[in-house]
Amino acid sequence: AQTVTQSQPEMSVQEAETVTLSCTYDTSESNYYLFWYKQPPSRQMILVIRQEAYKQQNATENRFSVNFQKAAKSFSLKISDSQLGDTAMYFCAFMRKGGSEKLVFGKGTKLTVNP
Amino acid sequence: DSGVTQTPKHLITATGQRVTLRCSPRSGDLSVYWYQQSLDQGLQFLIQYYNGEERAKGNILERFSAQQFPDLHSELNLSSLELGDSALYFCASSSTGGSSYEQYFGPGTRLTVT
Repeated sequence: AQTVTQSQPEMSVQEAETVTLSCTYDTSESNYYLFWYKQPPSRQMILVIRQEAYKQQNATENRFSVNFQKAAKSFSLKISDSQLGDTAMYFCAFMRKGGSEKLVFGKGTKLTVNP
Repeated sequence: DSGVTQTPKHLITATGQRVTLRCSPRSGDLSVYWYQQSLDQGLQFLIQYYNGEERAKGNILERFSAQQFPDLHSELNLSSLELGDSALYFCASSSTGGSSYEQYFGPGTRLTVT
């Protein structure tokens, strides 16, 4: 069974600065996807960024980028130029390719962006 | 707006009762997933339907059941409700089998069992 671990329950950052959220996962699969979801106080789950395991290039979406280290089973999220609207819970998620496409989530990291 | 709709937004009911949560996937998406988010269990996958057929099952209690209808909307039925069933229930959809594998979540239904 796959597991996802987010070791930082809470983090804070000043507006306009950069912050990195950590995620590690455990799997014996070779083909899979990794995701970061954002859950603001509204409780909506919003897809932030995705990474396909077979792609070595790290994904980037505007101010959000990942550092994917497949051998180390690490998938961290970097948020640049943090904005107040980035305040949210961030969940790392794993999906095996093929078969059940269920998402396996970490416990989440609560990020607060301070003015 | 993800394009996934869920009704109702909030539901308050008593122990022992039965409720039905409804989900409409994004246009064109064939797969529907149900997840439960609670304080103690976090986000957990319950069940997946693909084009009307059950495709995968997670930690779904026997008191819970789901189905996907020909128009692709899905319903999650929760019966003999217990206090511990209080949670936020999410529906997500994806196109599955195509080039898109991302799951897009609805706004959730907050269930409170008293």
